[in-house]
Amino acid sequence: AQSVAQPEDQVNVAEGNPLTVKCTYSVSGNPYLFWYVQYPNRGLQFLLKYITGDNLVKGSYGFEAEFNKSQTSFHLKKPSALVSDSALYFCAVRVNNDMRFGAGTRLTVKP
Amino acid sequence: NAGVTQTPKFQVLKTGQSMTLQCAQDMNHEYMSWYRQDPGMGLRLIHYSVGAGITDQGEVPNGYNVSRSTTEDFPLRLLSAAPSQTSVYFCASSYSHGQTTELFFGSGTQLSVL
Repeated sequence: AQSVAQPEDQVNVAEGNPLTVKCTYSVSGNPYLFWYVQYPNRGLQFLLKYITGDNLVKGSYGFEAEFNKSQTSFHLKKPSALVSDSALYFCAVRVNNDMRFGAGTRLTVKP
Repeated sequence: NAGVTQTPKFQVLKTGQSMTLQCAQDMNHEYMSWYRQDPGMGLRLIHYSVGAGITDQGEVPNGYNVSRSTTEDFPLRLLSAAPSQTSVYFCASSYSHGQTTELFFGSGTQLSVL
């Protein structure tokens, strides 16, 4: 089955430190991978996507993600975390007419 | 631009009641969908539409109906509410149903069924 997995329910980092939110995928054929962010009491917002080409994808708010085919991973990264980055992050893969989401990772950035 | 607009933001129902969650988008998007979000389970697709007059079931369609009479509107109907339908519901749209297109989400409806 086409799916993504987020192995960490919670990630805690200190402000100014680099952050990584992990995602692995299981997709037959070409993987079309996405990251979304959800702030409290809000809908999901699109951050970035991997379609093809460069394995390092840059997105909104200084986030980037690294696609690694051999490890079937698509980890979200940011060089220097901000307190305002604290939110719920979802990895997803679009399969036909469905966007299949991971369970989400709650990121907390402490001052 | 308003984007994707959902109403109401909050709703409390009694078991057996029916109601309609409204969703409208002003981006002329072809594809619209409804998801429910439950803790620890991410988002799951309820129903979707690839254009006016065309709807289909997603992963968890039981207890819900949809229709798409216009490009802009995609209401979700709960036929006879059950406590298992307590959830946060999101409407989402994209300009096509292609696999490379991202979704735009509404702000959600928090539904409690007592």
